[in-house]
Amino acid sequence: QIQLVQSGPELKKPGESVKISCKASGYTFTDYAMHWVKQVPGKGLKWMGWINTYTGKPTYADDFKGRFVFSLEASASTANLQISNLKNEDTANVFCARSVGGALYWYFDFWGPGTMVTVSS
Amino acid sequence: DIQMTQSPASLSASLGETVTIECRASEDIYSNLAWYQQKPGNSPQLLIYDANSLADGVPSRFSGSGSGTQYSLKINSLQSEDVASYFCQQYNNYPYTFGAGTKLELK
Repeated sequence: QIQLVQSGPELKKPGESVKISCKASGYTFTDYAMHWVKQVPGKGLKWMGWINTYTGKPTYADDFKGRFVFSLEASASTANLQISNLKNEDTANVFCARSVGGALYWYFDFWGPGTMVTVSS
Repeated sequence: DIQMTQSPASLSASLGETVTIECRASEDIYSNLAWYQQKPGNSPQLLIYDANSLADGVPSRFSGSGSGTQYSLKINSLQSEDVASYFCQQYNNYPYTFGAGTKLELK
C-alpha cells in the first residue's frame, strides 16, 4: 500500500538548520511529484512548493524562497526539505504530499503524517 | 494569489443531519478544487477533487458541487466519524491556496 513516512519531530534554536525527510513506498517514486505543505498548529494549510521527482527540479512558493531547499534521494524514494536560519515563525507541522492530476493542476491524494518543527530559544 | 474564503468557520450539527460547507474563490478556478478532511492529530485526507469527483474509498454521503468561483461540500446523514476539520484547496494557479477551514462538531 502507498505510504509516506516522515522523519520525527525536531526542536531547534533560531538560526539553526533542519532537514526533514519523506520516504515513499508502494508506488514508483519518480511517477508522481512531491509537495510540501505547512500547518501552524490549530491553523490552516499553506503550500510551500513541489519537487519534480523525475528531474529533481524544485519550485518554491514565493514565501518559501531563500531559506528552503527541496531535494531528492531518488534511489531511496525519499524527498527532503531543508530549512536554514530557522525563525520562530517556522514553528509548524510540515507535511509531504503526493500529487495527482494533470498538467500542473494537482491535488494531493496521499499525505505523510507530518513532522513537527519547533523553533525556540 | 487566489484567496479562498471558506464558511462557516465552525459548524455544529446532529447525527443524521445534512451539512454544507462553502468555499468562494477570488477568481474563476475552473473547477480545479479539492476538499480535504483532517481529524485531530492526523494529516489531511482527500475527499473530493475536480470540484465534484469522489476520491477512492470516500463514502458516498460526501459530495461536491460548484463552478466558477463558488463551490460547496455536502455531507448527507452526518456520522460521528465525520467530526473533523474540512479544507478546500484551489489548484488552478500557483501558489496553490487553501481555505481557512471549517471545524465540524456534533451537537
